[in-house]
Formats: sequence, structure tokens, C-alpha cells
Amino acid sequence: DTGVSQNPRHKITKRGQNVTFRCDPISEHNRLYWYRQTLGQGPEFLTYFQNEAQLEKSRLLSDRFSAERPKGSFSTLEIQRTEQGDSAMYLCASSGSREGPLYGYTFGSGTRLTVV
Amino acid sequence: GENVEQHPSTLSVQEGDSAVIKCTYSDSASNYFPWYKQELGKGPQLIIDIRSNVGEKKDQRIAVTLNKTAKHFSLHITETQPEDSAVYFCAAHHGSSNTGKLIFGQGTTLQVKP
Repeated sequence: DTGVSQNPRHKITKRGQNVTFRCDPISEHNRLYWYRQTLGQGPEFLTYFQNEAQLEKSRLLSDRFSAERPKGSFSTLEIQRTEQGDSAMYLCASSGSREGPLYGYTFGSGTRLTVV
Repeated sequence: GENVEQHPSTLSVQEGDSAVIKCTYSDSASNYFPWYKQELGKGPQLIIDIRSNVGEKKDQRIAVTLNKTAKHFSLHITETQPEDSAVYFCAAHHGSSNTGKLIFGQGTTLQVKP
């Protein structure tokens, strides 16, 4: 397993456009998370999936944001009508092992979004 | 709300010296505490984690200690090397949540001078 994979690595978009990011978690992990990180800050939680069920959404996740995890494997995060304030690194993480549901909590390399 | 405080914000050490980063958390129900190393332009890399029923864990040059009573935990890096230079984040599981949500500290920029 090569870890958590995110695509694309970088995305530049014009304000008002829609963007979609993809995350492929570690195969044996059943938990998947999305976080957002702005410059100089720690990651902030956005949403969480257990298998295909989305079980929590942060207040940071406005109506313009939607996340899916069909079949409990990869996940997508879509941002509609992007705004300049959406510019950030979007991180995906997965967890869950024999030692417990939180163990091996691993992040991907992220998708850097720039809205111009 | 739940909070994790991390200190110091920057740390500069000579190669070979030890580095210590400290964090405190507010949620007494937190039971999982990972540490991450983040290099420029990359995602956070898990370097060590500890659960609440363990007081200390060590992996080669890296160790983490946890004091549940005081609600603080620390990262210790011994024999530091220039490649240890990065931003380090502590995190605590949001214990009242069943979702695995992590609350992160503000980060510590570690510089190891050769």
C-alpha cells in the first residue's frame, strides 16, 4: 500500500468555478476524513466517513461543499462557486487498524487550491 | 470548545542536541494523541502516536510522554539531525466525538543547525 493518495496535487481555478478533488485512502482503513489547512495553521476538520456513511460535518463546511464516498472506497470533495477564501490545502486522511479505529491516522499529500 | 495548545512556536537547536515540544489539551475524554511532521508543500506525516492508557512510547530517536492528569503530552527528539527540520504538529482526538476528529495544535517550526 502506498498510503493515502490525493489528486490533483495543485488546482488553480477562477472564482465562481466548481472544483472536485479525489482521495484514495489506505485500503484496509474504513475511516476517511477531510481537513483544510491554511498557511501557518494546523489542519481543521471538515468531514468524516465511516465506510460509505458521512457521519459528521463541520460548521466550516458550507452548503457549497459536498463530499461523497461511494462504495466506501475513494472519496471526492466538491466545492461549488469557489471563492477566494476557499484557497487552502485540502487534506484527506484515513485510519483504522487491528489496534483500533484511530490507529495509523495517515494523511495524504493534499491538494493545494488557489482561487483567482 | 475543544482546544490544543502547543509550545514553543519556533525552536532552534544545534545538531545532536535534543528538542522538546509540549502540548496541552482541554478535552478530558481525549484518548488518542498523534504527532505529525510536515515539510514544505507536503501533507502531515505521522511520526508517532500514543493512546491514553500508555504513559510513554518510544521509536528510535523519537519519544512521546503523556500525563493524563495534567492533560499534557510532549514530543522528545534526541540526537537531532538537519533533516529533522520541519513543522511539527500535535493533535488530540476529540474524545466526546465518535468520529475520530482530531484537534491540532498551532505547530512548532523546528530548525536544526548543522
